[in-house]
This record gives sequence, structure tokens and C-alpha cells, in this order.
Amino acid sequence: QVQLQESGPGLVKPSETLSLTCSVSGGSITNNYWIWIRQPAGERPEWIGRIYPTGSINYNPSLKSRVTMSLDMSKKQFSLKVTSVIAADTAVYYCARENNSGWHGIESWGQGILVTVSS
Amino acid sequence: DTQMTQSPSSLSASVGDRVTITCRASESISRYLNWYQQKPGKAPKLLIYGASTLDSGVPSRFSGSASGADFILTISSLQPEDFATYYCQQSFTIPQTFGQGTKLEIK
Repeated sequence: QVQLQESGPGLVKPSETLSLTCSVSGGSITNNYWIWIRQPAGERPEWIGRIYPTGSINYNPSLKSRVTMSLDMSKKQFSLKVTSVIAADTAVYYCARENNSGWHGIESWGQGILVTVSS
Repeated sequence: DTQMTQSPSSLSASVGDRVTITCRASESISRYLNWYQQKPGKAPKLLIYGASTLDSGVPSRFSGSASGADFILTISSLQPEDFATYYCQQSFTIPQTFGQGTKLEIK
């Protein structure tokens, strides 16, 4: 059973860069889409983007100018950077994995990490 | 973006009840519709993908179906552990988008 664990700072100052890493254990990183999703308190989840080990990346157009995703197969990690953060970027950030069914269901999730943007 | 609208937004029901939650997309998404259950402080959990396929380990009291533009999640006999918030998600277009959620509460 694959397990995912987010890590990174829980507090980021406005205008700075939010950087998170997701560590994958208990399974391969080579055959699935790997996803970042965030969820502000009391709101619906927001899909940030996904990356495939071949290098294919899709970003949410609403965040595309500020977001970068990368993947390191040797470390079994993938990462998220969000630049020029504002208060509205405050949320629980989840890393996750799509299943290989072809329907793109998100079958495995990290526990989430709360990132607060505040000075 | 493809807008996902769930109804109702909240629902009160009793253990043993049959409940249905509906999700509608603002455009055609084929059967690229997934359902999740989320409990407070926890990550969402995949219940159903492809509109009607139960994810591994999900109890058979959960089922999904499609009728025209509507997608329906049915819980045939509510159990105490089913009280949670449910989200639909379309995975047909980028960005993938979620419904606003349906909070299922104990009556």
C-alpha cells in the first residue's frame, strides 16, 4: 500500500515562495500521475496540478504562472513550488496519486500539511 | 473550468436510511466522475471512480450511477461511520474540479 507524506514549512510570508515535498513509500513512483491539491478551511478541494514521471505536467491555469512541479525518481519524491504567495494561498496542501484505471480517480492521499501565509 | 454542482449541500438522515446525492457538470464529462468521502481533519477518500466503479475496500452499500447529465451517489443503508462530507470530482477536463460538497449529518 503506497504511502505519501508531505513536508515543508507551515508558515510562509506574503510574497515569498511556498515549497513542499511529497515522499512516496511502499510503491513505485514510475507508473502514475502524482498530484497536488489544496483545500482552504471549510471549502472544496482545489486541484493544483499533476506530474507524470516522463515529465508530462498539467497545471491549473488559475495558478500556472506561479506554480512549478517537479519529480525526483531516485529519491521517490515530488515537489511543489508556489511563488509570490498571498493570504488566499493559505490551505491544507495534499499530495496524492491517481489510479491507473483510466478514469483518473485519486486513490492515495497524504495526510495533508497546513500552510499559512502570514507576516 | 467545468463547474460541478452538488445537491443537496447538506442532508440529515438516520442510521439505516437510504440516501442519494446528486452531482451535475456544466458540460459533458463522459463518465469521468469520481466520488470522495471526507471526515474532519482527514484527507478525502476515494469511493467511486468512472461514475460507477467501487474503489477497492469500499463497502457495497455505496454505489454510483449516471442518468443523463446527473451523477448519483447512493448509500443504501447508512452506517454511523458514513456521516461525513461527500465530494464529486470531474477528471475529464483540466483543471479537474470538485463539487461544493454535501455534508451528511445525523438526524
